[in-house]
Amino acid sequence: IQLTQSPSSLSASIGDRVTITCRASQDVKKFLAWYQQKPGKAPVLLISSASNLRGGVPSRFSGSGSGTDFTLTISGLQSEDLATYYCQHLLTYPYTFGQGTKLEVQ
Amino acid sequence: QEQLQESGPRLVKPSETLSLTCNVSGGSMRTYYWTWIRQSPGKGLEWIAHISHSGKTNYNPSFKSRVTLSIDTAMRHFSLFLNSATAADTAIYFCARDDTVGNFDLWGQGIPVAVSS
Repeated sequence: IQLTQSPSSLSASIGDRVTITCRASQDVKKFLAWYQQKPGKAPVLLISSASNLRGGVPSRFSGSGSGTDFTLTISGLQSEDLATYYCQHLLTYPYTFGQGTKLEVQ
Repeated sequence: QEQLQESGPRLVKPSETLSLTCNVSGGSMRTYYWTWIRQSPGKGLEWIAHISHSGKTNYNPSFKSRVTLSIDTAMRHFSLFLNSATAADTAIYFCARDDTVGNFDLWGQGIPVAVSS
């Protein structure tokens, strides 16, 4: 299963609403997760099952979608959100990741 | 505090075996799958394989013929062995905890490994 994220990179300002999309090459139902990776660090799980916010993750992050089309939204961008964001499907082995969306904060 | 920490050689010669260990601090090893993921500029994040506390494994077909995992719950570590290494295996290798449905909820800091003569 291939995951295609768009855009590959984007630049936004503090306070903006940011949307990242992830499209799967086949139906993954709601078996999709989102991760945040800051430079030089390991990825951190933000959202599981397409829309379930993990404990400790700020409420400005949200996820939606099912089937083949998914969205990660950051409502009210903060400077600490500078990172690359990845989607990952969990439907079957092998698990695969999207190519990433690099978010720059202006 | 639950933590994962990778260790092993950071330089491997071509055709040799890349061997890494992940030490698990805190928590139970019984209720998770223990996973290896790598990251390279060319291929991004790649799930390699995972192993359960009982030794049950699942492998990415892209690696299956070259990869072996082992686990020692008493010593609280699990290991990756990738044989016939090539330059294409140069990457940052992460160990991670899978909640058994495929969410990676805890990661090690990652260890860079270069395959070069």
